Amino acid sequence: GAGVSQSPSNKVTEKGKDVELRCDPISGHTALYWYRQSLGQGLEFLIYFQGNSAPDKSGLPSDRFSAERTGGSVSTLTIQRTQQEDSAVYLCASSLYSSGELFFGEGSRLTVL
Amino acid sequence: AQTVTQSQPEMSVQEAETVTLSCTYDTSESDYYLFWYKQPPSRQMILVIRQEAYKQQNATENRFSVNFQKAAKSFSLKISDSQLGDAAMYFCAYRRNTGNQFYFGTGTSLTVIP
Repeated sequence: GAGVSQSPSNKVTEKGKDVELRCDPISGHTALYWYRQSLGQGLEFLIYFQGNSAPDKSGLPSDRFSAERTGGSVSTLTIQRTQQEDSAVYLCASSLYSSGELFFGEGSRLTVL
Repeated sequence: AQTVTQSQPEMSVQEAETVTLSCTYDTSESDYYLFWYKQPPSRQMILVIRQEAYKQQNATENRFSVNFQKAAKSFSLKISDSQLGDAAMYFCAYRRNTGNQFYFGTGTSLTVIP
């Protein structure tokens, strides 16, 4: 596809369940970011991947959150034992090079009941 | 630490009028990038305009222009001839020249009144 693709678009889960959110960046983009956006709030940085370098995980809020990027392309954000405070829109963005503009996906809205 | 402040949670403008959204940032760096992103109700963030700190000339993209005041660490967005499609949340963002972190403000919700 031409843009950043995220799935699922919406996810409703029960407290305590694990969820996986997927991001397919623009082909050739070496940088990939995950952000969290709570209702009415700004963007909270979660994690950043750049090529084959070790990811910058400094924004992950707890050890329940993890992310992988396979083959330098698709990324999966996993939230284990979800809590109600995890409810938010999770945005993925990619960039051609680390100093360039971000191209965002439409986000995955997570609702934890 | 770098911070980005948008002091206007909500703004409104009459269609065809001009509106200015404010953004200030805090940094000790001399070289960096600034961005304005638009997030319509569809949720997808779209780049509106970018400014390199080393450039003194203010960036312009059609009806969108910025007033970049480096000494004051201010980066406001002016939207001229506002259109209904401009209604969205607008986020100001900062990025150092080196490094990977983008810092976003909390956003300004713009309403365009027909």
